Amino acid sequence: GQQVMQIPQYQHVQEGEDFTTYCNSSTTLSNIQWYKQRPGGHPVFLIQLVKSGEVKKQKRLTFQFGEAKKNSSLHITATQTTDVGTYFCAGPAYGNKLVFGAGTILRVKS
Amino acid sequence: NAGVTQTPKFRILKIGQSMTLQCTQDMNHNYMYWYRQDPGMGLKLIYYSVGAGITDKGEVPNGYNVSRSTTEDFPLRLELAAPSQTSVYFCASSPGTHAFFGQGTRLTVV
Repeated sequence: GQQVMQIPQYQHVQEGEDFTTYCNSSTTLSNIQWYKQRPGGHPVFLIQLVKSGEVKKQKRLTFQFGEAKKNSSLHITATQTTDVGTYFCAGPAYGNKLVFGAGTILRVKS
Repeated sequence: NAGVTQTPKFRILKIGQSMTLQCTQDMNHNYMYWYRQDPGMGLKLIYYSVGAGITDKGEVPNGYNVSRSTTEDFPLRLELAAPSQTSVYFCASSPGTHAFFGQGTRLTVV
């Protein structure tokens, strides 16, 4: 079945440093979604990318969807302590199953 | 709108006991999902539903059952609880785009 892989598993950065997490799918995706889960919380939808090569920005967050629609990245510029949490990518599989990557845990040292 | 509501929030079960995790949504979404999240890990899909009366297995369905008699409700049943089912369980719903998650149920089997 479809697999969504995410790296790195864990990243610890100094406040103000940049952060990037990468997502790769074993199959072409119709869209890719990104979610954020704060410690002790539930996943919250951030954004959806649909078009090949698409780039979207939300303040300090930049999301990219690869040309082949099999990979994606989330980049945070100048991290803040409020960025702490786990970032997940997810892609729809057959029958609209939503398959999640393993997530990247971000810790920010102030 | 309450969104996606899960009950209970916490539960301790003894090995071999059974229980039902409740999930209800008031957004009239066709798609509903059950995920489990083990500590520091990603979201594994247990079961999903594309509409009332239709359910299908996800990645880790063993030891669980579901039903979808109405659009609003998607309960998850554990028949014979095992320590390996200790986890946080998230229910989610979707209109066919991205997912909305409940607050989660933290289940411990001892």
